[in-house]
Amino acid sequence: DTGVSQDPRHKITKRGQNVTFRCDPISEHNRLYWYRQTLGQGPEFLTYFQNEAQLEKSRLLSDRFSAERPKGSFSTLEIQRTEQGDSAMYLCASSSSGPSTDTQYFGPGTRLTVL
Amino acid sequence: RKEVEQDPGPFNVPEGATVAFNCTYSNSASQSFFWYRQDCRKEPKLLMSVYSSGNEDGRFTAQLNRASQYISLLIRDSKLSDSATYLCVVNIQASKIIFGSGTRLSIRP
Repeated sequence: DTGVSQDPRHKITKRGQNVTFRCDPISEHNRLYWYRQTLGQGPEFLTYFQNEAQLEKSRLLSDRFSAERPKGSFSTLEIQRTEQGDSAMYLCASSSSGPSTDTQYFGPGTRLTVL
Repeated sequence: RKEVEQDPGPFNVPEGATVAFNCTYSNSASQSFFWYRQDCRKEPKLLMSVYSSGNEDGRFTAQLNRASQYISLLIRDSKLSDSATYLCVVNIQASKIIFGSGTRLSIRP
């Protein structure tokens, strides 16, 4: 399967713990996005990478959140000192900057539950 | 006002019916537009892009009205498998992509 993959698919953690999620985009895609989605809402943009450069961060991304894409391939999203309000689905998407720009392909998401 | 607004529904229609959704956006600099479909507890999947001239893909027709800043999706001859949430997506630039909250559609036999 050459689609976007995310790991883990589910994460249950206690409040105050740190968690890290991984996203592997479609290999030829240079753009990578992280979103957060809660029940009944559309995905909310968190951050955007073009290659290894993080070009945009939402104000939703507090200082407890950090994302990296060190070699311009996979990306990680870390949440430090988790809070119950962090419980959500975290989605990763990738796209290319070629002729079919803007079409994003999503991974299956990581569902985070903070107890 | 939200940047992208959709009627949340739910729309509950019989199989075979035609159903239409609208989505409005506030930023006139928006560049590209899409409809995504999301099944329960699954990731969004691209349904179709929306072009100024309007476009059709089988039973699905998408329209864009830049003057009035809205996008529409028409589903003809609806099937049970069309039951899902439909998300309107507006790209202002590569780093600014806004999703609507989605419109829930339920098709009944």
